[in-house]
Amino acid sequence: GESVGLHLPTLSVQEGDNSIINCAYSNSASDYFIWYKQESGKGPQFIIDIRSNMDKRQGQRVTVLLNKTVKHLSLQIAATQPGDSAVYFCAENLSGTSYGKLTFGQGTILTVHP
Amino acid sequence: DTEVTQTPKHLVMGMTNKKSLKCEQHMGHRAMYWYKQKAKKPPELMFVYSYEKLSINESVPSRFSPECPNSSLLNLHLHALQPEDSALYLCATRRNSGGTQETQYFGPGTRLLVL
Repeated sequence: GESVGLHLPTLSVQEGDNSIINCAYSNSASDYFIWYKQESGKGPQFIIDIRSNMDKRQGQRVTVLLNKTVKHLSLQIAATQPGDSAVYFCAENLSGTSYGKLTFGQGTILTVHP
Repeated sequence: DTEVTQTPKHLVMGMTNKKSLKCEQHMGHRAMYWYKQKAKKPPELMFVYSYEKLSINESVPSRFSPECPNSSLLNLHLHALQPEDSALYLCATRRNSGGTQETQYFGPGTRLLVL
């Protein structure tokens, strides 16, 4: 399953499928990007990050892809599980911004059906 | 240990009350943040403290008053709030070693309801 940033904020997948969550970021000068997972009633939880000098980074079951040409970020979750159901936010840090100020995307709701 | 703790977990207050939210971290991080988050929206930055000094105030109304008594603690004092201030209040921390490419780690939040 795949979401498209602001226009399709909900993604429903079956357990075991791969999920792709997309994010269109706003500033070509952003140099650092973070994906957060937020479960209901909890604070955002860091998943994975990527610097602008990279185009791919892998973690455990997650991969982040960065396409600076089109200012696009994606989060791929392999073998999605019901515990992955949450809201996923991308965040960008503008290069030179003082104190690490982040700009968040609007979020995508991921629902995983058993 | 990447834990940020916040107390209380839930808070209900009247518009004439004074209350405080607390945030604590022991990671040695020197940047601390307050965010406000409404339902189904991303976090909105309110305040940033860097080395215990207020560095950013995102035009937050004066009924919200932040305080950073030491490098491990961050408070948010609340007075004369409005019902529209009801939200999840999140604390976050960051190492602040000089670069900008550092992760912010969030606490679990305080769910505030103003009656």
